[in-house]
Formats: sequence, structure tokens, C-alpha cells
Amino acid sequence: RKEVEQDPGPFNVPEGATVAFNCTYSNSASQSFFWYRQDCRKEPKLLMSVYSSGNEDGRFTAQLNRASQYISLLIRDSKLSDSATYLCVVNRVGTALIFGKGTTLSVSS
Amino acid sequence: EAGVAQSPRYKIIEKRQSVAFWCNPISGHATLYWYQQILGQGPKLLIQFQNNGVVDDSQLPKDRFSAERLKGVDSTLKIQPAKLEDSAVYLCASSLNLGGSGNTIYFGEGSWLTVV
Repeated sequence: RKEVEQDPGPFNVPEGATVAFNCTYSNSASQSFFWYRQDCRKEPKLLMSVYSSGNEDGRFTAQLNRASQYISLLIRDSKLSDSATYLCVVNRVGTALIFGKGTTLSVSS
Repeated sequence: EAGVAQSPRYKIIEKRQSVAFWCNPISGHATLYWYQQILGQGPKLLIQFQNNGVVDDSQLPKDRFSAERLKGVDSTLKIQPAKLEDSAVYLCASSLNLGGSGNTIYFGEGSWLTVV
């Protein structure tokens, strides 16, 4: 079983739609959680960190449920520019980032 | 501030040949990572350095892959001999210190390897 599992996608949505991505992690020692965004043929870039209390950044909301070892990302009012692959990422103290396979989002007009 | 620099950006080699990739991290970043990303998958850690010491190389195929960071700054990743399944993007990344919340990791643009 992979340490980080994500919905495979792809998700194809119209502009303005709300879309949610889910992710589970298997190691209960994981302490830090992130969503990274990767555009086609580009490097991954940090989208947002994920905190137990939940956090929001504009149209993006991230949630963490430690008991269920579950992470989510909600994108409201999707834009064409949101089209990308979204990578769920976890981290333990002193270790490198562990990436999920990624979920591809395609927003169409 | 300059980002993580990698070269070459693209390389095509035949199987059984060798290749080397170079990485210059962000100035002052003690931790350097090499990740392998195969098409359609997430990045997978190959090796992690803290200054010039190896922190984690458990997923590095040591029969063909090697990496070094002799002076604690630049790093090279070598593959010899290459196999078809090594075709991937090799991403170098750096962070101020060992990863964790608040310690952002920055990636270079990657070195794209095609083995034919």
C-alpha cells in the first residue's frame, strides 16, 4: 500500500464549478501536510499547507482529519487557470516530502 | 533570489550509456533532495542530503545510481548504466533545513531524461 493515496482523476469540470480532492495517508507518524500544484511539464510548487483546524486561501480550502488520516482540498469557483495536477504531500520530522500520485484537474469554458 | 538551478534540462541517451545531472540549490539551503518523477506519477525521493552528508538514500538504486554533494552546496546525480525505465524527470529540490511545517521545499525545473 502506498503511503499517500489520492483520487486518480482526471476531474473535468466547467468554469465556476466546485471540485474536491481527497487523499489518505497510511503512516500515523506523519506530522506535516501540504497540497502542491504541478503544471504540465513544470516543477511542483507549494499551493498550501494543511492544518488540523482547516485553512482557507481565497478559493481554496484544505482540511485535515488526523483520526481518519484524511486530507482534502476544495476549490470553489474554478478558473481555467486552475487546470493542473494537485499533489497531496505528507512529511515526518527529519524526512523528505512524500508525494501522492496526483490528481489532474481540467477546467473548461 | 535565484532558485534551484539544474542542468541539463533535456537529455536523450541510449540504454547502457551513462548520464549525469547537476544541481545548484538556493544559497544557504542546507538540505538538498533528488526526486525521480515518472510520467503520470508523483515525485519519488531518491536521496536526501543534509550539508554534505546523506540523510536518506533508501530508495536509490545503488547498483546504477550514485549522487554526491562533496562541498555541501552543488550536487550531481549519475546513472550508469541507464535502463529504459529510468526515463523520467529528475527533480532537485532544496530547503533551509530538514523538511517540516514552515520549512518550504523549492524545486528546480527538472532534468528530463529519455532512455532509448
